[in-house]
Amino acid sequence: GQNIDQPTEMTATEGAIVQINCTYQTSGFNGLFWYQQHAGEAPTFLSYNVLDGLEEKGRFSSFLSRSKGYSYLLLKELQMKDSASYLCAVPADYGQNFVFGPGTRLSVLP
Amino acid sequence: EAGVTQFPSHSVIEKGQTVTLRCDPISGHDNLYWYRRVMGKEIKFLLHFVKESKQDESGMPNNRFLAERTGGTYSTLKVQPAELEDSGVYFCASSQGRGLTDTQYFGPGTRLTVL
Repeated sequence: GQNIDQPTEMTATEGAIVQINCTYQTSGFNGLFWYQQHAGEAPTFLSYNVLDGLEEKGRFSSFLSRSKGYSYLLLKELQMKDSASYLCAVPADYGQNFVFGPGTRLSVLP
Repeated sequence: EAGVTQFPSHSVIEKGQTVTLRCDPISGHDNLYWYRRVMGKEIKFLLHFVKESKQDESGMPNNRFLAERTGGTYSTLKVQPAELEDSGVYFCASSQGRGLTDTQYFGPGTRLTVL
């Protein structure tokens, strides 16, 4: 079956850099998504990686290593508004739905 | 462009009652998904529509849950009768194409509390 693992909670300071890790096990691989979810709001799309390497998008970057079944989301110059849950997801082995990790709740402190 | 909308945002009902949740996907999106997040657990897939047809309902927990998408536009998810373990946040998502890697756009969810 498919399994995704993320740390449950992380804390960082405003202005700092934080790395949120995600490990996954799948039969096939069709890419990995990162979503951001503020409390009570919709998960919003951040990034999609299907090839190995780092994809940079402003303050947020996402990295993938398919051989290691590993991804991370890198947030730079942290702002208070970055306090949210960050969800790692992969397409299901069978079907077109997503399989989600438990999410990492990030708290940014002043 | 309007995003995915869901109604209601919150619903509190008693065990045994019926509740109907509604999702309006992004206009033109053929794919519509329902997911659920139970307290303390990860978001889990319930079912997938392509237009008005159920493509995959392997995640539906039992026959107390009924989803419809008449006309291939909005969708409803009915829980009848509701049980305590049905409490959670129900998310709807939509995507445009049928590829495995299509980004799914999520609604804000309906928080269901069964007392």
